[in-house]
Amino acid sequence: EAGVVQSPRYKIIEKKQPVAFWCNPISGHNTLYWYRQNLGQGPELLIRYENEEAVDDSQLPKDRFSAERLKGVDSTLKIQPAELGDSAVYLCASSFHRDSAGGEQYFGPGTRLTVT
Amino acid sequence: AQSVTQLDSHVSVSEGTPVLLRCNYSSSYSPSLFWYVQHPNKGLQLLLKYTSAATLVKGINGFEAEFKKSETSFHLTKPSAHMSDAAEYFCVVSGVYNQGGKLIFGQGTELSVKP
Repeated sequence: EAGVVQSPRYKIIEKKQPVAFWCNPISGHNTLYWYRQNLGQGPELLIRYENEEAVDDSQLPKDRFSAERLKGVDSTLKIQPAELGDSAVYLCASSFHRDSAGGEQYFGPGTRLTVT
Repeated sequence: AQSVTQLDSHVSVSEGTPVLLRCNYSSSYSPSLFWYVQHPNKGLQLLLKYTSAATLVKGINGFEAEFKKSETSFHLTKPSAHMSDAAEYFCVVSGVYNQGGKLIFGQGTELSVKP
């Protein structure tokens, strides 16, 4: 079974430029998460999708970040314009159950973004 | 609100010696707790989870953790470290039901294993 796929793995851009990250979750997983992991810290949730609906985007900086999951499968996270402080690893995860109390979130390898 | 505190940012052990990574949690509810491991340039992997069943939880690769409510702790242990255990370890608490499986991560503990 294929895991969570993310692309690109690395991205270097200049500040004020746009950038987009793509995630394909594990087949059959209806819940998709985007996390941001700053250097030396644990991941922090940005947004959670149940199928195509964003059910928790309270931590997403909406002035510059946007996300979509149009068909309830793969998802795109966009930053426009990027700022120096956006440099981080962006992780995508998926799970089968909404509550996911079992903690079975499966993570992709992440996209390491560097803003210069 | 839930939170976790990992008491050591870095732990160094020799190969073959025991591993102890410490984690304290704070939760208004009966928590679900987890340990995830992150190897360089790889995705986070679930090591083990506690969800109100047995307080001693066994995970993959010989790791185990004990839930101690009186101490609000969930420390991760392994009897004998292997070189391949070198990685970043995260203690995690799950958000309450209405947060729909939101995971709250600690700051991480970097484990180094010396030959």
